[in-house]
Amino acid sequence: DIQMTQSPSTLSASVGDRVTVTCRASQSISSWLAWYQQKPGKAPKLLIYKASSLESGVPSRFSGSGSGTEFTLTISSLQPDDFATYYCQQYNSYSGTFGQGTKVEIK
Amino acid sequence: EVQLVQSGAEVKKPGESLKISCKGSGYSFSTYWIGWVRQMPGKGLEWMGIIYPGDSDTRYSPSFQGQVTISADKSNSTAYLQWSSLKASDTAMYYCVRRKQGGAFDIWGQGTMVTVSS
Repeated sequence: DIQMTQSPSTLSASVGDRVTVTCRASQSISSWLAWYQQKPGKAPKLLIYKASSLESGVPSRFSGSGSGTEFTLTISSLQPDDFATYYCQQYNSYSGTFGQGTKVEIK
Repeated sequence: EVQLVQSGAEVKKPGESLKISCKGSGYSFSTYWIGWVRQMPGKGLEWMGIIYPGDSDTRYSPSFQGQVTISADKSNSTAYLQWSSLKASDTAMYYCVRRKQGGAFDIWGQGTMVTVSS
């Protein structure tokens, strides 16, 4: 089974900061990687798919990059609505392993 | 509007059986894979398995194989997740998801909270 490792687990940042979250796969997944945002008590929301494609309706301050085993999610200028937990997910073949999550907190 | 609507919260005792549902609308239900994701209290997301309603082809995460059964009724646009004998460790929020063409989960149900307690 492919394992996904996110870092950091928690990130403290201020409004306007540039924020980067990293995700590593235990083996190559090409570009089959998605990023999700989850707020407390809510279902996750798809932000990025195929490593760098922005889902419709998602603000352009979110971006994704990487391929193979190393991926990043970047928020160019953190907004109050962005304080949440972020998960990466590989979807190589029919499996769909998630990373353990990165909580973005207010500094 | 494309949406997945899940059945309501459940409170069960250990050893009981349970089947929760997820009804799709606003799109061709038979032609998109539907998955299930577990989130235990205060924890992260775990992929459980996925089904193609068109032919009921089903794939399970190794962690959940044999522990749950995923099924679908394409005539009713509904997918199901069931347990034959619940344990306290099955207490969690369960989400159904639509797998978009290409593989990411673009539509999420609202979640079904399952509580197993004696």
